[in-house]
Amino acid sequence: KAGVTQTPRYLIKTRGQQVTLSCSPISGHRSVSWYQQTPGQGLQFLFEYFSETQRNKGNFPGRFSGRQFSNSRSEMNVSTLELGDSALYLCASSPGQNQPQHFGDGTRLSIL
Amino acid sequence: AQSVTQPDIHITVSEGASLELRCNYSYGATPYLFWYVQSPGQGLQLLLKYFSGDTLVQGIKGFEAEFKRSQSSFNLRKPSVHWSDAAEYFCAVGAFRPGFGAGTTVTVRA
Repeated sequence: KAGVTQTPRYLIKTRGQQVTLSCSPISGHRSVSWYQQTPGQGLQFLFEYFSETQRNKGNFPGRFSGRQFSNSRSEMNVSTLELGDSALYLCASSPGQNQPQHFGDGTRLSIL
Repeated sequence: AQSVTQPDIHITVSEGASLELRCNYSYGATPYLFWYVQSPGQGLQLLLKYFSGDTLVQGIKGFEAEFKRSQSSFNLRKPSVHWSDAAEYFCAVGAFRPGFGAGTTVTVRA
């Protein structure tokens, strides 16, 4: 069974640009969550989607948004990028609520 | 509100020695508890989970963890560490918008 796939693995952007990250969950998993990981703040929850609906949202500004498609694939968008958005963005999928999450290898986003 | 504390930022252990990583949590109900491991440049891999039942949980790679409700702890242990166990370890509580600890970095010396 293929794992969680995140693309691209690395991305370099400049301030003010926007970016879209992609996540393909494990087949059959309907829940997809996104996390931001930085050395200073650790792992922070961004949002969770289940069956194309955002079910939970973390404490991030509206510049961070996401969506989920009918095939459970998910995208995350960050607009008006800031230097502080440099981070490893992790996607995790699970079969449903209260089930362990399976993580992708992340997208390393660097803002210049 | 849920929260997780991993008191040890960094632990160094000799290969072959035992390892214990501490995790304390705060949660309003019966907790769902997890331990994950992250190697450099990779995502998190689930080591083990506790939902209910036996408080001693066996995981992959020879790890185990014990849930102690009275101490609000879920410490991770391994009897004999291998060099490949060098990584960062995260404790997490709650499967519904889980909260993660800050992580413990484990260094293994030969």
